[in-house]
Amino acid sequence: EAGVVQSPRYKIIEKKQPVAFWCNPISGHNTLYWYRQNLGQGPELLIRYENEEAVDDSQLPKDRFSAERLKGVDSTLKIQPAELGDSAVYLCASSGRRGAQQFFGPGTRLTVL
Amino acid sequence: DQQVKQNSPSLSVQEGRISILNCDYTNSMFDYFLWYKKYPAEGPTFLISISSIKDKNEDGRFTVFLNKSAKHLSLHIVPSQPGDSAVYFCAASALMNYGGSQGNLIFGKGTKLSVKP
Repeated sequence: EAGVVQSPRYKIIEKKQPVAFWCNPISGHNTLYWYRQNLGQGPELLIRYENEEAVDDSQLPKDRFSAERLKGVDSTLKIQPAELGDSAVYLCASSGRRGAQQFFGPGTRLTVL
Repeated sequence: DQQVKQNSPSLSVQEGRISILNCDYTNSMFDYFLWYKKYPAEGPTFLISISSIKDKNEDGRFTVFLNKSAKHLSLHIVPSQPGDSAVYFCAASALMNYGGSQGNLIFGKGTKLSVKP
């Protein structure tokens, strides 16, 4: 079984530039999560999707962050414009249903200069 | 305020000995607890979990103990192996919470375990 796929693995941009991350969850997993992990911290949930619906985006900074999950499969997380404080690892996870075990992708390490 | 706390940033253990990683939580709504292991440049991988109706769960060399009254859980690895060297995250969830956050994981900051040969 293929795991959660994320791309790119690494991204370096200058502040004020836009950036996008892509996630392909495990086949059949209805629930998709985006997390941000700052250095020395644990992952923090940004948004959770149930199929194509964003059911919990309370922690997503909506002034600059946006996400979508068209057709309830792949998902894209966007930051526009990026700030220095956005430097972090962005993790995508999926599960068969809400509350079930979450499987994580390798993450995208973002560096904002 | 952190709801899940791992107060030891690092732990060093000799191969073959026991590793004990600790975790404390503050939210009494949490009813499901998990441990994830993370190697560099990889995502966290699930290791073991425990429901609040139990006080112990064992899987091979890994055992998780839960003390609800103390809001404390610990992960025991016996015997420790060099391949166990990784960052271990404790996470908690409120599965019985039927609000919008049901099933969301709250992570601690992690403990870096080093197992020396």
